[in-house]
Amino acid sequence: QKEVEQNSGPLSVPEGAIASLNCTYSDRGSQSFFWYRQYSGKSPELIMFIYSNGDKEDGRFTAQLNKASQYVSLLIRDSQPSDSATYLCAVKYRTGGFKTIFGAGTRLFVKA
Amino acid sequence: GAVVSQHPSRVICKSGTSVKIECRSLDFQATTMFWYRQFPKQSLMLMATSNEGSKATYEQGVEKDKFLINHASLTLSTLTVTSAHPEDSSFYICSAPASPSVDTDTQYFGPGTRLTVL
Repeated sequence: QKEVEQNSGPLSVPEGAIASLNCTYSDRGSQSFFWYRQYSGKSPELIMFIYSNGDKEDGRFTAQLNKASQYVSLLIRDSQPSDSATYLCAVKYRTGGFKTIFGAGTRLFVKA
Repeated sequence: GAVVSQHPSRVICKSGTSVKIECRSLDFQATTMFWYRQFPKQSLMLMATSNEGSKATYEQGVEKDKFLINHASLTLSTLTVTSAHPEDSSFYICSAPASPSVDTDTQYFGPGTRLTVL
């Protein structure tokens, strides 16, 4: 059973702070890793993807991947109230085709 | 960027009726589409993979006779919830990859369909 684990939160940070979201996955053969943001009642929207060990930065967002530890994280710098949402970690793996498994998500609240 | 649409966005139906949800890729062709279901405060659960020109592939525990999938063209997949019951009430979301053969490819999600079965 391939699993993606996230702390459900809620994670509460003050405006301007760094929010750190974490995710672990069970399948060592996983190739691609994604972070999605989902507002209540809406479908997920992609924030970033990463597939190599290390850091990947895009604006205020930094994704970090450690395949040895089967760990991926998302840092949000200068958090804004508009960042308040549920963040879904997703892992793509190949098994007779490509499938993406989602974590349960972490709820983030950014307090103004 | 690529856009995926879903119709309807919201549907309320009586128990025992069937509901059809459409998923369209608007500016690209999708030989594969994915159907997810999301219950409140839970994550997206993959229900099935819709394949153009062939049968859908269902995930374990998903009844193929209850959730009928038809991938009629390279831009349209439909999910029909047959004999719907209140426990089928959920948020149904489809997605399409731009290129399913690429490991790093992302998925484009539709806006979702909120189904409420009375």
